[in-house]
Amino acid sequence: AQRVTQPEKLLSVFKGAPVELKCNYSYSGSPELFWYVQYSRQRLQLLLRHISRESIKGFTADLNKGETSFHLKKPFAQEEDSAMYYCALPPAGGTSYGKLTFGQGTILTVHP
Amino acid sequence: EPEVTQTPSHQVTQMGQEVILRCVPISNHLYFYWYRQILGQKVEFLVSFYNNEISEKSEIFDDQFSVERPDGSNFTLKIRSTKLEDSAMYFCASRRSGGTPSYEQYFGPGTRLTVT
Repeated sequence: AQRVTQPEKLLSVFKGAPVELKCNYSYSGSPELFWYVQYSRQRLQLLLRHISRESIKGFTADLNKGETSFHLKKPFAQEEDSAMYYCALPPAGGTSYGKLTFGQGTILTVHP
Repeated sequence: EPEVTQTPSHQVTQMGQEVILRCVPISNHLYFYWYRQILGQKVEFLVSFYNNEISEKSEIFDDQFSVERPDGSNFTLKIRSTKLEDSAMYFCASRRSGGTPSYEQYFGPGTRLTVT
């Protein structure tokens, strides 16, 4: 069965420091992975999808099929990056209707 | 930019009562979802809905739960007889059909359900 693992529940860094939020997955086939972010008292918002290979708010994520990872990185963290981050995976195969499987989430706190 | 909306933002109910959580998905979306997040735990899939019927449901989505799209805009989740363990944040989401990115979902702000 597919699975998403975010090993760190909490991550604290200082402003200006690099940050990496880890995500590992198990999946049969070629996954389409997402990072969602939830700022305090706001909805889940899509931050990144690996197929577009874009950089949003300075964040990037590279799919590493060998290590089955999709870690989220930012070279210089900002205080406004403090939020809950979720890695998410859609279903394998073509028969499902697109439910997302979420990791446990990582709370990122960026200190001034 | 269009958004998914949900009402109410917070619902308090007594155990055994029925609750209806309401969602208005983005208007040209065709796939609709409910997810649940118990405090301190991860977001869990409940049910997906497409073409006016349930397309997939999780083990959590038992006979106490039902979903409806009563008109062209609303999408509701009903819990017939609430239990204490139903206390959670409930998120509605919607998705366009096909295209790229194919599985991107847009989430509502959530309804916090508290069962006392």
